[in-house]
Amino acid sequence: DTAVSQTPKYLVTQMGNDKSIKCEQNLGHDTMYWYKQDSKKFLKIMFSYNNKELIINETVPNRFSPKSPDKAHLNLHINSLELGDSAVYFCASSQERENTEAFFGQGTRLTVV
Amino acid sequence: AQSVSQHNHHVILSEAASLELGCNYSYGGTVNLFWYVQYPGQHLQLLLKYFSGDPLVKGIKGFEAEFIKSKFSFNLRKPSVQWSDTAEYFCAVFSSNTGKLIFGQGTTLQVKP
Repeated sequence: DTAVSQTPKYLVTQMGNDKSIKCEQNLGHDTMYWYKQDSKKFLKIMFSYNNKELIINETVPNRFSPKSPDKAHLNLHINSLELGDSAVYFCASSQERENTEAFFGQGTRLTVV
Repeated sequence: AQSVSQHNHHVILSEAASLELGCNYSYGGTVNLFWYVQYPGQHLQLLLKYFSGDPLVKGIKGFEAEFIKSKFSFNLRKPSVQWSDTAEYFCAVFSSNTGKLIFGQGTTLQVKP
């Protein structure tokens, strides 16, 4: 069973479109994250939710909106996609905020053309 | 501000060579330390972690890391690398004060057979 699963794995879309990436974890974790990995492989945290509550919101354009319907899901919706949004987006989850490791999904490679 | 710095961006080694990847962080509070590995086209997997106790931690696949508090360092080592170790390696630090898991820039390791 996949612990942290993201869909879709690949997403190619045109500029200006709105798209969503879904993430689900079956580990019973309380905290979920979204990271963006750019072309230089740098991983930057975007958001963190703990028990459906937003606890970290980094400097991310407000075109990006996370939604957590329950603690097992954290979806990422992106409005008005731009070329610079092209990256690999990773979802992750952890059991607590401290003394635990994060488990990552397979990533979603978003390409904006 | 919390930050993680990896000194080596691209390392090329021959099989059986020894490996040491540097990682320094800047944060004065309680931290949890991690090394993650990302094999080509795959998601991040945990190599090893340090929460407390013995500062020399052993991980999977023969990797180990040493936490030196006075130097704010958590260097990754392996006595003898294999071709299959070719991957991207990320040092990460979780700070209980900020609730953030921050990654270093990553080190690309290329092992030549």
